[in-house]
Amino acid sequence: GENVEQHPSTLSVQEGDSAVIKCTYSDSASNYFPWYKQELGKGSQLIIDIRSNVGEKKDQRIAVTLNKTAKHFSLHITETQPEDSAVYFCAASKAGNQFYFGTGTSLTVIP
Amino acid sequence: DAGVTQSPTHLIKTRGQHVTLRCSPISGHKSVSWYQQVLGQGPQFIFQYYEKEERGRGNFPDRFSARQFPNYSSELNVNALLLGDSALYLCASSSSGSSGETQYFGPGTRLLVL
Repeated sequence: GENVEQHPSTLSVQEGDSAVIKCTYSDSASNYFPWYKQELGKGSQLIIDIRSNVGEKKDQRIAVTLNKTAKHFSLHITETQPEDSAVYFCAASKAGNQFYFGTGTSLTVIP
Repeated sequence: DAGVTQSPTHLIKTRGQHVTLRCSPISGHKSVSWYQQVLGQGPQFIFQYYEKEERGRGNFPDRFSARQFPNYSSELNVNALLLGDSALYLCASSSSGSSGETQYFGPGTRLLVL
């Protein structure tokens, strides 16, 4: 099966600074890598995703990079705001669309 | 448009009981997946259904079962509950459940087994 590792487990940044969360995966057949933001009472929201034929994708303050050779991908949040505080999960999937999730990163943005 | 809905939102059961959790996918989505999220961990895949057929199953005991109805809604059943079944159960829907397809998650059902 697939094994996804996520680091760090907790991250605190000052408002306006950047935050980076890293994930590694084990199965080279994985081809889709979404990131979810989970807030209490709000469920899990897809914030960005990337497919294996792309090395980088950006959406306003959020970007994701993928290194297929090294089997790792990262979430970058720039100009962080207090409302970015949440738990973030990375995931990897392949044929069949079963998602394998990391263990989550609790991000706190300090005003 | 309504997103993925799940019911109930919270549930308390005792060991040995059974539980049924329900999920309604986004309108037009034909695939539903179930995940278990234990406190402090990421979601773990339990089942995927597409067009009422089981398409995938994670590493969970036979006490866990599910089904999908003609309207694409789904139920997750857990028999002989154990304390370790206490978790947030998430339902996700996607259009066809194909590889690389985005899944949209519901708010979850929080199950506590005493």
